[in-house]
Amino acid sequence: RKEVEQDPGPFNVPEGATVAFNCTYSNSASQSFFWYRQDCRKEPKLLMSVYSSGNEDGRFTAQLNRASQYISLLIRDSKLSDSATYLCVAPTDSWGKLQFGAGTQVVVTP
Amino acid sequence: EAGVAQSPRYKIIEKRQSVAFWCNPISGHATLYWYQQILGQGPKLLIQFQNNGVVDDSQLPKDRFSAERLKGVDSTLKIQPAKLEDSAVYLCASSGEYSPLHFGNGTRLTVT
Repeated sequence: RKEVEQDPGPFNVPEGATVAFNCTYSNSASQSFFWYRQDCRKEPKLLMSVYSSGNEDGRFTAQLNRASQYISLLIRDSKLSDSATYLCVAPTDSWGKLQFGAGTQVVVTP
Repeated sequence: EAGVAQSPRYKIIEKRQSVAFWCNPISGHATLYWYQQILGQGPKLLIQFQNNGVVDDSQLPKDRFSAERLKGVDSTLKIQPAKLEDSAVYLCASSGEYSPLHFGNGTRLTVT
C-alpha cells in the first residue's frame, strides 16, 4: 500500500457544481495534513492545512477521518479557475517526514 | 515576504554531463527541501536540511546526486553525471518552525 494515495482523476466537473475527492494515508499516528494546489507547469501552492477534524476556507472544505485514515477535499460552486491538480500531503513517520500523493486532477468545464 | 528563489528556470544538458541548481529559501526558514517531480507524479523528497545539517537523504541517489547548504541559508543540488531518467522538475521548498512548505518556481531539467 502506498503511504499516501490519491485517485488521479480526472474529475470533470461542470461549472457551479460540487466535487469531492479523498486521500488515504498509511501512518495512523499522523496529526497534520495539507492540501496543495498545482497548476500546469507551476509549483505546488498551499491550499489548506488540516490539523483536527477538518477545515473550511470559502468554497473549500477539508475533512479528516482518522478511523478510516483518509482526508477529503470538497469544492463547492466550482469555478473554471479551480482546474488544477490537488496534492495531498501527510506525515509518514514519527519525525514528521512529509509524503506527497500523486495528485488528483480536477477539470472544471463551462 | 520574498518567496523561495530558484535558478535556473530551465536547463537542457546531454546525458553524462553535470548540472547544478541553486536555491535561496524564505528568510528565517530553517528547513530546506529538495524535491524531484517527474511528469504525472507527486513531488518526491530528495533531501531535507535543518539549518546546515542533513535530516533526511534516504531517497537521494548518492552515486550521482549531491547537495549542500553552507551557512544554513542557500543550497545547491548537483547531478553528476546526469542520466535520461533525471529529466524532471527540481523543486526547492522551505519551512519555518510552525509554517508549512513553501515552494520555489522549480528548475525544469531536460537530459538528452
